[in-house]
Amino acid sequence: GAVVSQHPSWVICKSGTSVKIECRSLDFQATTMFWYRQFPKQSLMLMATSNEGSKATYEQGVEKDKFLINHASLTLSTLTVTSAHPEDSSFYICSARDLGRGPNQPQHFGDGTRLSIL
Amino acid sequence: GENVGLHLPTLSVQEGDNSIINCAYSNSASDYFIWYKQESGKGPQFIIDIRSNMDKRQGQRVTVLLNKTVKHLSLQIAATQPGDSAVYFCAENMGSASKIIFGSGTRLSIRP
Repeated sequence: GAVVSQHPSWVICKSGTSVKIECRSLDFQATTMFWYRQFPKQSLMLMATSNEGSKATYEQGVEKDKFLINHASLTLSTLTVTSAHPEDSSFYICSARDLGRGPNQPQHFGDGTRLSIL
Repeated sequence: GENVGLHLPTLSVQEGDNSIINCAYSNSASDYFIWYKQESGKGPQFIIDIRSNMDKRQGQRVTVLLNKTVKHLSLQIAATQPGDSAVYFCAENMGSASKIIFGSGTRLSIRP
């Protein structure tokens, strides 16, 4: 149980392109999903908290107009990197918590999206 | 700001020996802690968790110890195997914010 699917697993695109990444909870519902970014040999940095049916909450220093988050249902959140540039190249990872299991539960992570901007 | 950190960035262990990975946290409001394992090119995988009202929890081959007095967390892996090679992260739940913040990670390598 508690499977989180992320798509695509990798993408290469030209500078200036917008890229959408999907995060789905396959066997549970999640009112909240989280988006992280990870640079090589570094830890995961929380970018934003995605709330179903409402606006995302962004961490300090993360541009909300650059990283658009939509959480349209209890099983799907999307992250769109708008007008991507080489410095946006990174490993983007989403996670979700199982709504039905109460507080203080671990987040379950997708396998990440490797984004490379040329 | 407050964050979760680690004492050792890398750890090399002989196969079959026990591994101990340490983590220091500074947020006294954190009430829940998790250890994750991340293999190359994949997302973090849950290993074990512990709530702040406990000081020890055991799983299969793994034990987490929590010392709130010195704000220290450790992960013990018994009889380390080649498949344990990965980067290990401790993470803390930021109380009412319910968001999980990761430490800097330790790479565990296994010597045959």
